[in-house]
Amino acid sequence: AQKVTQAQTEISVVEKEDVTLDCVYETRDTTYYLFWYKQPPSGELVFLIRRNSFDEQNEISGRYSWNFQKSTSSFNFTITASQVVDSAVYFCALSEMDSSYKLIFGSGTRLLVRP
Amino acid sequence: GAVVSQHPSWVICKSGTSVKIECRSLDFQATTMFWYRQFPKQSLMLMATSNEGSKATYEQGVEKDKFLINHASLTLSTLTVTSAHPEDSSFYICSAPSVEGAHTQYFGPGTRLTVL
Repeated sequence: AQKVTQAQTEISVVEKEDVTLDCVYETRDTTYYLFWYKQPPSGELVFLIRRNSFDEQNEISGRYSWNFQKSTSSFNFTITASQVVDSAVYFCALSEMDSSYKLIFGSGTRLLVRP
Repeated sequence: GAVVSQHPSWVICKSGTSVKIECRSLDFQATTMFWYRQFPKQSLMLMATSNEGSKATYEQGVEKDKFLINHASLTLSTLTVTSAHPEDSSFYICSAPSVEGAHTQYFGPGTRLTVL
């Protein structure tokens, strides 16, 4: 069965600190996709990244970076030098190849960046 | 880029009434759309898959007679919450698969439903 676990319910950091959001997934499929979404207070989901199961290269985009480790079934997200505007709920999600595009979301991590 | 819109963005209704929420793909066609529900401080839960020209596929535990889904065209899916009750108050979000594939979805801005 597929499952996404985000063990950190809420994280609070001071601006300019680095913060890592954890994501652990379970799937029996060998082909799948992993995603990170940001949900600011407005509620609209903002797509951050997609990674397929055959691409384990880590990715960096500005202050954001992602660490995909198939050996530990983890897809962690790091924000470097956090800013107040990073405050939001962050969701990790999984889509299996045979799932007809269904997304399984983790429970989310609420990030609060204090000035 | 592709955009998915929802209407209304928020709605307040009395208990027992029905509410219709529209989800539109604005510059692309979507034979499939998805409806999610998000309770306060919780995650998104898939309710159903809307299929153009055929019946929707509901997830386990979702009442198909209460949450009516109609995918009338390649750009429009509607979710009707029938005989709404306060426990149906939630944030409803629709999505459509990206034309780029790779299981990416475009999400609508959501509709906040409050049932009094």
